[in-house]
Amino acid sequence: EAGVAQSPRYKIIEKRQSVAFWCNPISGHATLYWYQQILGQGPKLLIQFQNNGVVDDSQLPKDRFSAERLKGVDSTLKIQPAKLEDSAVYLCASSFLAGEVTQYFGPGTRLTVL
Amino acid sequence: AQSVTQPDIHITVSEGASLELRCNYSYGATPYLFWYVQSPGQGLQLLLKYFSGDTLVQGIKGFEAEFKRSQSSFNLRKPSVHWSDAAEYFCAVGHYNQGGKLIFGQGTELSVKP
Repeated sequence: EAGVAQSPRYKIIEKRQSVAFWCNPISGHATLYWYQQILGQGPKLLIQFQNNGVVDDSQLPKDRFSAERLKGVDSTLKIQPAKLEDSAVYLCASSFLAGEVTQYFGPGTRLTVL
Repeated sequence: AQSVTQPDIHITVSEGASLELRCNYSYGATPYLFWYVQSPGQGLQLLLKYFSGDTLVQGIKGFEAEFKRSQSSFNLRKPSVHWSDAAEYFCAVGHYNQGGKLIFGQGTELSVKP
């Protein structure tokens, strides 16, 4: 069974530029999560999707971050414009059922904002 | 407020020695409990989880963890550490009635001396 796929693995941009990350969850997993992991900290949830609907985006900085999961499968997270403090690893995770707490994580995208 | 505390930011043990990583949580009810491991440049891999039942749970790679309700703790142990265990370890809590989202501790970095 293929795991959670993410791309790109690394990205370096200048502040005020835009960037997008892609995630493809495990096949059949209905729930998809995006986490932000700043260096030296644990992951923090940005947004949770159930199929193509948003369940929780309370921690998403909506003035600059956006995310979509249009067909209920893969997802894109965008930052526009990026700030220095957005430098982090962005992790995507998925779980099979709604409310199921066992999540499977992708390798992450390491973003550096200069 | 829901939170997870990993008191040790960095631990160094000798290869072959035993290991215990501490985790304490604050949650409204007994949550589901997890330990994840993250190697450099990698995503999070699930080591073990506790939902209910026997408070001593076995995981992959020879790890185990014990849930102690009275202490709100879920400490991770391994009787004999291998050099390949050097990584970052994260404790996390969640519950299906919170939509399955996980709250992570800040992590404990494990170094292994030869």
